[in-house]
Amino acid sequence: GQSLEQPSEVTAVEGAIVQINCTYQTSGFYGLSWYQQHDGGAPTFLSYNGLDGLEETGRFSSFLSRSDSYGYLLLQELQMKDSASYFCAVRDRGTGRRALTFGSGTRLQVQP
Amino acid sequence: EAGVTQFPSHSVIEKGQTVTLRCDPISGHDNLYWYRRVMGKEIKFLLHFVKESKQDESGMPNNRFLAERTGGTYSTLKVQPAELEDSGVYFCASSQGVTTNEKLFFGSGTQLSVL
Repeated sequence: GQSLEQPSEVTAVEGAIVQINCTYQTSGFYGLSWYQQHDGGAPTFLSYNGLDGLEETGRFSSFLSRSDSYGYLLLQELQMKDSASYFCAVRDRGTGRRALTFGSGTRLQVQP
Repeated sequence: EAGVTQFPSHSVIEKGQTVTLRCDPISGHDNLYWYRRVMGKEIKFLLHFVKESKQDESGMPNNRFLAERTGGTYSTLKVQPAELEDSGVYFCASSQGVTTNEKLFFGSGTQLSVL
């Protein structure tokens, strides 16, 4: 089975850098994805790590280490609009299920 | 291009009543997923359609939930009869491909409150 753990809440100030960790227990998976959801909105895709290492997309970066069963999302130069919930997700290789399994989400609050 | 749309955005019903949620995926997307998020918890998988066929319904909580996707276009999720624990936000998502880095496009969800 799968279990993804994330911190429930993180608070940071504008302009700062924040890292949201995701640790997981799974027998095998295809890669680690991150989604962002603003209150009342649709979760939207942010990034995907199929291989170990760092992927960078503008102010956001995502990292994966399969050997450590660990990944993170790094947000730089935080803006107020980054206040949202962030979910890590995996697709299980062992079960063959195509659907993503999501973590419980991390609520990020950016303060002035 | 229109995104994934869900209707209604909110629904408040009493225990024992029936509610039907609708999802219109992005045109051309064969994969359609239903998820549910109970407050503060994970976005939990319910089921997956490929075109009109149910590919995986292992996440459906019980037989009070019935999903259909007639003609492989829009999908409905019916809850009958609704119970208090069915409250939550129901998300629909669609995707085009079958690659390992398949990106899901979500709707804004239906907030269901069962009183």
